[in-house]
Amino acid sequence: SAVISQKPSRDICQRGTSLTIQCQVDSQVTMMFWYRQQPGQSLTLIATANQGSEATYESGFVIDKFPISRPNLTFSTLTVSNMSPEDSSIYLCSADVKGAVDTQYFGPGTRLTVL
Amino acid sequence: SQQGEEDPQALSIQEGENATMNCSYKTSINNLQWYRQNSGRGLVHLILIRSNEREKHSGRLRVTLDTSKKSSSLLITASRAADTASYFCATTTHQAGTALIFGKGTTLSVSS
Repeated sequence: SAVISQKPSRDICQRGTSLTIQCQVDSQVTMMFWYRQQPGQSLTLIATANQGSEATYESGFVIDKFPISRPNLTFSTLTVSNMSPEDSSIYLCSADVKGAVDTQYFGPGTRLTVL
Repeated sequence: SQQGEEDPQALSIQEGENATMNCSYKTSINNLQWYRQNSGRGLVHLILIRSNEREKHSGRLRVTLDTSKKSSSLLITASRAADTASYFCATTTHQAGTALIFGKGTTLSVSS
């Protein structure tokens, strides 16, 4: 199994500011992903975080709004830029772990509220 | 984008009863997984069923998959108050690799 930690666990931010969320995995990782869960909704894939190269974004998500870094295999960051109240969501990172076939592990999520 | 629909959206039962949740999806899949989420926290992987499998069991969980109908069901037997959570199905496809496409989820409430 793997443990994924996220920081911060929650934050309240002002409109127009940016927040960077960190995700750390304690095991060897192949793939890392970022998801958004809007209030009362399911999870939507934002992007695949690629190590050492630009992330691969899903339709409706762009790099200028959600820049992602993955400087090494086990660490990634997601920045929510120029925030508006519509960005209030839970942001979750996940990872495929070497040796754990077909099981994707999730972090505890970062609960973001934008005022 | 959302792959599937789940029904019911909400389900309330008594402890000891069985809970059945259904999931439908739109495109061909590699596998289908079920996750549990407690109170907006992180997700816990419950069970995976591959596209060439029809039924799978794990403890009190039973999952079925009907690829001809593009649907799956999750049965929780002898439910407990601790099973109260939101349950999501998620699929992987050839195109998306291991990225998960989630259904809308079922909120299960088990009262004692």
